[in-house]
Parts: sequence; C-alpha cells; structure tokens
Amino acid sequence: EAGVTQSPTHLIKTRGQQATLRCSPISGHTSVYWYQQALGLGLQFLLWYDEGEERNRGNFPPRFSGRQFPNYSSELNVNALELEDSALYLCASSLILLQEQGGPQHFGDGTRLSIL
Amino acid sequence: AQKVTQAQTEISVVEKEDVTLDCVYETRDTTYYLFWYKQPPSGELVFLIRRNSFDEQNEISGRYSWNFQKSTSSFNFTITASQVVDSAVYFCALSGFNKFYFGSGTKLNVKP
Repeated sequence: EAGVTQSPTHLIKTRGQQATLRCSPISGHTSVYWYQQALGLGLQFLLWYDEGEERNRGNFPPRFSGRQFPNYSSELNVNALELEDSALYLCASSLILLQEQGGPQHFGDGTRLSIL
Repeated sequence: AQKVTQAQTEISVVEKEDVTLDCVYETRDTTYYLFWYKQPPSGELVFLIRRNSFDEQNEISGRYSWNFQKSTSSFNFTITASQVVDSAVYFCALSGFNKFYFGSGTKLNVKP
C-alpha cells in the first residue's frame, strides 16, 4: 500500500511569493491534515479537509489556505510568503470514521519550504 | 484551552538504559484521545499508540510502555533497554474536537 505522498520535497521561494504544496493521501482515506513544523518548534495544526470540505483550521492567518480535490488529494497554498514561513510542512491522512474515534494519522515525508 | 507539554527538550542515555518521556496535557473535553508519534532522523512520523480518555489501563508493547493517569493529566512513555535505533524525536499529541494538538517533542539520543 502506498503511503502519503507529498510534493515537492523542497521548495525555495522569496518573500512575497506564493507557494503551493501537494499531498496525496493513502488510498481510501478521505481526510487530509496539514501541519507546520518550524525549526525548534513542535507540530502546529494548520488545516483539516474531509470530503472536499474544510473541517477546521488552526491559528494561522488567512494567507494559509488549501483545498481538497474529488480524488481526496489536497493542496496547501501560502500567499505573501514571509521569512517565518520557512518550515517543514507535513501532510497526514486518515479514515474519517477512525478520526471520530481518534484514529491514527499517517504522515507523509513533508515538504521543506525555505523562504529567502 | 487545549495544550500538550513535553517539558524535556532533549534526553541522552546510554544503550540499555531505561528512559521515560513525559507528557502533560490540558483539555476541557471529557472525551479525547492521546497519541505518541516517533520522528526518526529520516523525518517521517510514525504512529506508536493511541489512548482514549476512558481507558486508563497502562499498555506494554515490547520494550515500549505507556502510563496514562487522568488524575495528573499525564501520558508518559517509557522505553526499556533503549537501543540506538530508538534515537528520534518523540511527539505526544492530543485529539480534541476536530483538532490535533502536538507537544513540542522530546529528542532522544541513545548512545552505544
């Protein structure tokens, strides 16, 4: 079974630009989560999508947005990039039924976003 | 407010020593779930265990054991007879309503 895949592996941008990160969940998983892991910090919850809808978001400004496609893959968009957006962005997927029961999330390898 | 605290930033032990990673959480939910994840140097996050708030039974899986105590809002993780391959960052997480909250992680260094 293929795991959660994220692309690109690395992304280098400059301040003010826009970045798009992509995630493909495990086959059969309908929920996709996005997290930010900044250097020296823990994982911060960004967004949760399920069945194409945004279910919840963490304490991040509106320039962090995303969407989920009919095939359950997802994009994370970050507009007006700032230096502090440099981080590892992790995507995870789970079955929604399991999520309601607190099921485990399966993580991808992440996209390293560097802002110059 | 929901919060997970892992006070130990970094721990170093010698192989075969036992080590306990602490996790303290805050939540107002009566139903919640607690998790431990391992992040080895390669970066991927690996799910280790899930516990729901109604099940305070301690669990043992091989060299790993978990001690869940609601009275102290703690969910500690013990590795017995540590090995070099246990070197990683370990994250404790809390699942509240529709959100996950992670601790800042504890980096475990196991030296041969």
